[in-house]
Amino acid sequence: NAGVTQTPKFQVLKTGQSMTLQCAQDMNHNSMYWYRQDPGMGLRLIYYSASEGTTDKGEVPNGYNVSRLNKREFSLRLESAAPSQTSVYFCASSEVGDEQRGTDTQYFGPGTRLTVL
Amino acid sequence: AQKITQTQPGMFVQEKEAVTLDCTYDTSDPSYGLFWYKQPSSGEMIFLIYQGSYDQQNATEGRYSLNFQKARKSANLVISASQLGDSAMYFCAIPRRPQGGSEKLVFGKGTKLTVNP
Repeated sequence: NAGVTQTPKFQVLKTGQSMTLQCAQDMNHNSMYWYRQDPGMGLRLIYYSASEGTTDKGEVPNGYNVSRLNKREFSLRLESAAPSQTSVYFCASSEVGDEQRGTDTQYFGPGTRLTVL
Repeated sequence: AQKITQTQPGMFVQEKEAVTLDCTYDTSDPSYGLFWYKQPSSGEMIFLIYQGSYDQQNATEGRYSLNFQKARKSANLVISASQLGDSAMYFCAIPRRPQGGSEKLVFGKGTKLTVNP
């Protein structure tokens, strides 16, 4: 199993350009997430998808859109990149949390390092 | 709202010694858990250990153990017999689960551990 994969690994954009970050998981997980990591800030949730066909905003959704293409894939789109979106982006997946069984672990992809000039 | 505090920006330990990384949390959920993740210089986020608030015994995974003290709202990570490969950033995280929704992780800002030979 590859786990969670992300493409590309690195990207440099100019202000105003658009791009899509791709994420795929082969663990048959229902829930998928996009986080961003900035220096000294830990990880912050951008968007998540509890199951195929649903998406919802996280803590810092402005400037981003997402698509849950199918159960395996969850993409993050920057329509008009800004320097404030320079960050490392992580995709994660997990089973849906079961309150009786307890929390399910989120497993992360390797990250995409994005620089916006 | 959930909140995680990691008060140690950096920690140093000699190889083969034990080290404790601090994490305190604030949550209003009656049932919750704590995660620890490791982020080496290569950038990936690696799941280390999890413990639920309902677990009676502290969780252990190899050289990692959680010192969970609910009355103090702390969930410290103990690494025994430190190795050079343990040098990394360590993040504590707590799930936030809105009514009927999937869980999202709230992360602390991390502690940078350096293991000296």
